[in-house]
Amino acid sequence: AQSVTQPDIHITVSEGASLELRCNYSYGATPYLFWYVQSPGQGLQLLLKYFSGDTLVQGIKGFEAEFKRSQSSFNLRKPSVHWSDAAEYFCAGIAGGTSYGKLTFGQGTILTVHP
Amino acid sequence: DAGVIQSPRHEVTEMGQEVTLRCKPISGHNSLFWYRQTMMRGLELLIYFNNNVPIDDSGMPEDRFSAKMPNASFSTLKIQPSEPRDSAVYFCASSPRRGSPFFGANVLTFGAGSRLTVL
Repeated sequence: AQSVTQPDIHITVSEGASLELRCNYSYGATPYLFWYVQSPGQGLQLLLKYFSGDTLVQGIKGFEAEFKRSQSSFNLRKPSVHWSDAAEYFCAGIAGGTSYGKLTFGQGTILTVHP
Repeated sequence: DAGVIQSPRHEVTEMGQEVTLRCKPISGHNSLFWYRQTMMRGLELLIYFNNNVPIDDSGMPEDRFSAKMPNASFSTLKIQPSEPRDSAVYFCASSPRRGSPFFGANVLTFGAGSRLTVL
């Protein structure tokens, strides 16, 4: 079955520290993958997307993600976290080549940033 | 563009009442999605439309839920009768016309959500 899994429910980091949020996928072919961020009381905002080409994808707010086919992963990274990055982060995927359809979301990872 | 607009932002109602949630997608987007978010279940896709036609409603929990998209700029999600277990945040999202993600296909833009509380 097609799925996206975020192994970490909650991560805490200190401000200024580096961050990596994990995402694993299970699709028959190369999927389209996305990272969204949700601040409290807000909708989901797209951080970045991958659909082909360079495996390292740059997004907004200084985030990047790397697509690793061998590990079926699409981890989100940021070299230095700011307090305003505290939010919930969702990885999502859809079967590649699908021109429309259902995104499958991971369970989300809550990020807490300590001063 | 004003983005995806949802109303109401908050709704408190009593069990048994009818609830109607509204969504205006981004102009030019022809795919529209309704999601529900709860602590227990996370983000669940309820139904999605393409060119105003419902494509997949397998996520609609039961017959009490119905969704319509009478035109390209408006959609409703109705719950009748409402129950306490329907309490959740309901999100509407839209994406551009089908095609390559290079042109935005499959990239969902979400509204701010409608928080529903059923007492």
